[in-house]
Amino acid sequence: ILNVEQSPQSLHVQEGDSTNFTCSFPSSNFYALHWYRWETAKSPEALFVMTLNGDEKKKGRISATLNTKEGYSYLYIKGSQPEDSATYLCASFSGAGSYQLTFGKGTKLSVIP
Amino acid sequence: ETGVTQTPRHLVMGMTNKKSLKCEQHLGHNAMYWYKQSAKKPLELMFVYSLEERVENNSVPSRFSPECPNSSHLFLHLHTLQPEDSALYLCASSTRLGTTNEQFFGPGTRLTVL
Repeated sequence: ILNVEQSPQSLHVQEGDSTNFTCSFPSSNFYALHWYRWETAKSPEALFVMTLNGDEKKKGRISATLNTKEGYSYLYIKGSQPEDSATYLCASFSGAGSYQLTFGKGTKLSVIP
Repeated sequence: ETGVTQTPRHLVMGMTNKKSLKCEQHLGHNAMYWYKQSAKKPLELMFVYSLEERVENNSVPSRFSPECPNSSHLFLHLHTLQPEDSALYLCASSTRLGTTNEQFFGPGTRLTVL
């Protein structure tokens, strides 16, 4: 995988449902994986920065896991609320000497009340 | 509020105009970034500054000219743009350069080139 891929591109869930989506990234020369949450007409905000294989991070109802050997990360939202509606971006740093975060296109989540 | 502000929020310009985008961060960060998001494309890094020195320039056309007069301010000077340059331009900052430093983004400038 040369680019950062996110799936699905979009999804709609009912309020109260739990959901998850995937980020795939190059596993070679991996340094860090970032997750950002971007609400419409607002600024992207960092959720997690992950570096260690097998790491799991949690913030409220949102959690993320990381598999650096196979190059994927999952983001989970438990009991989705309408305020969780946003685009979720992941980005990876890979390659020594580069300060470039390579972003995926994002997963747009809509939570239906 | 992320502590990063951008002005203007919206800009319409002709291909012969010269304009500037401004970014200011109130976080005491040492690194600042310009990103571009075109329709249906991921965020693309344009420029990176660390302590007012440019450290990365991702083959951006010379019609985009960045300026970082101090660690709190970042400008993107625009001249003779093309309609395909219409996009959302985001500024971001981080405490320092590094792979584990989360970036704090501004709300962006929506640019339309006629």
